[in-house]
Amino acid sequence: AQSVTQLDSQVPVFEEAPVELRCNYSSSVSVYLFWYVQYPNQGLQLLLKYLSGSTLVKGINGFEAEFNKSQTSFHLRKPSVHISDTAEYFCAVSEPDTGRRALTFGSGTRLQVQP
Amino acid sequence: NAGVTQTPKFQVLKTGQSMTLQCAQDMNHEYMSWYRQDPGMGLRLIHYSVGAGITDQGEVPNGYNVSRSTTEDFPLRLLSAAPSQTSVYFCASSYSTEPIYEQYFGPGTRLTVT
Repeated sequence: AQSVTQLDSQVPVFEEAPVELRCNYSSSVSVYLFWYVQYPNQGLQLLLKYLSGSTLVKGINGFEAEFNKSQTSFHLRKPSVHISDTAEYFCAVSEPDTGRRALTFGSGTRLQVQP
Repeated sequence: NAGVTQTPKFQVLKTGQSMTLQCAQDMNHEYMSWYRQDPGMGLRLIHYSVGAGITDQGEVPNGYNVSRSTTEDFPLRLLSAAPSQTSVYFCASSYSTEPIYEQYFGPGTRLTVT
């Protein structure tokens, strides 16, 4: 069964510094991978997704992620963060070949950008 | 378009009471789902639907019922509320029957069961 591990529950970082949010998944079949962002008191919004093709995926707000099949990882990066990036970030995985029509989410990483 | 709307925004129930959380979308999406969000646990899928009249269980379905009589609406019913159901509930929809496509989330319903 698939599972998603987000290794850091909180990541504090100063404004304009780079950041990496880590995500590892466990699955024995092919996967699709996603990053969602949740701003305070709001629902989730899709940042980016990997379905196939290039392993480097670019998303909204300057974020990108790299799919590494051998390490079963899908880490999210941004070269320079802003105060407005303060939010909770969720990694999610889908197994399209299993017929299971659902995403499995990680437990989330709270990104705290400090001035 | 209003997108995905959820009502109520907040609700307090006593143990044993029942209630229905409402979810509606105006994007003509086929796929709709309900998640609960608990601290440190991310989002867990309760039930989902791939079209009117078709529903299926997710990861944590016990204590919840759903039905889908129209494309637009996907209500979640709590049959007999328990303190363990205290959570934030999110409804989401997608234009495809496959959730791999972008899911649009509602603003959530914060439920407290005392």
